Amino acid sequence: DIEMTQSPSSLSASVGDRVTITCRASQNINSYLNWYRQKPGRVPELLIYAASSLRSGVPSRFRGSGSGTDFTLTINSLHAEDSATYYCQQTYTNPRFGGGTTVEIK
Amino acid sequence: QVQLVESGGGLVKPGGSLRLSCAASGFSFRDYYMSWIRQAPGKGLEWISYISDSGSTKNYADSVRGRFTISRDNAKNSLDLQMNSLRAEDTALYYCARPHMSGTRRGAFDLWGQGTMVIVS
Repeated sequence: DIEMTQSPSSLSASVGDRVTITCRASQNINSYLNWYRQKPGRVPELLIYAASSLRSGVPSRFRGSGSGTDFTLTINSLHAEDSATYYCQQTYTNPRFGGGTTVEIK
Repeated sequence: QVQLVESGGGLVKPGGSLRLSCAASGFSFRDYYMSWIRQAPGKGLEWISYISDSGSTKNYADSVRGRFTISRDNAKNSLDLQMNSLRAEDTALYYCARPHMSGTRRGAFDLWGQGTMVIVS
């Protein structure tokens, strides 16, 4: 099984900050990497698919990058509504999620 | 309206069984692989099973293989998850989800239901 490791597990940032979350796969997954945001008490929502493709309707402040084993989600200019847990997910083999990164607004 | 609606959750004793259902509407259900994903209280997301568009291919996470069975009825636009030999660690909110591309298991999940809660105690 491919393991997905996210870092950090949590972070605190201010509105307007740039936030970076990393995700590392235990083996090459090409670009089969997706990012989700889950607000407290809500259903996960897809932000980025195929490593860097922004889902329609998702704000352009979200950017995904990477390929192979190392991936990054960048939130440019953090908004208050971005307080949530973010998950990466690989779909190269059986889908597997990372452990999550909780983003708190200072 | 494009949506997924889960049902069938509840309280069950260890060793018991439960059958979850997911009703799909607003899209061509028969064209999509479908998955079940769960989330234990306060924990992360865990994919547990997918089924191909035709129903001929099924796959499971190790944590549920041999105990859970996924199935679908394309005529009724429904997805099911039969859960047997339930354990306390199966307690979770269970979501059904659809990938953003038809005909592939590798798509990202762009459509989720609201989830149905299963408590094993």
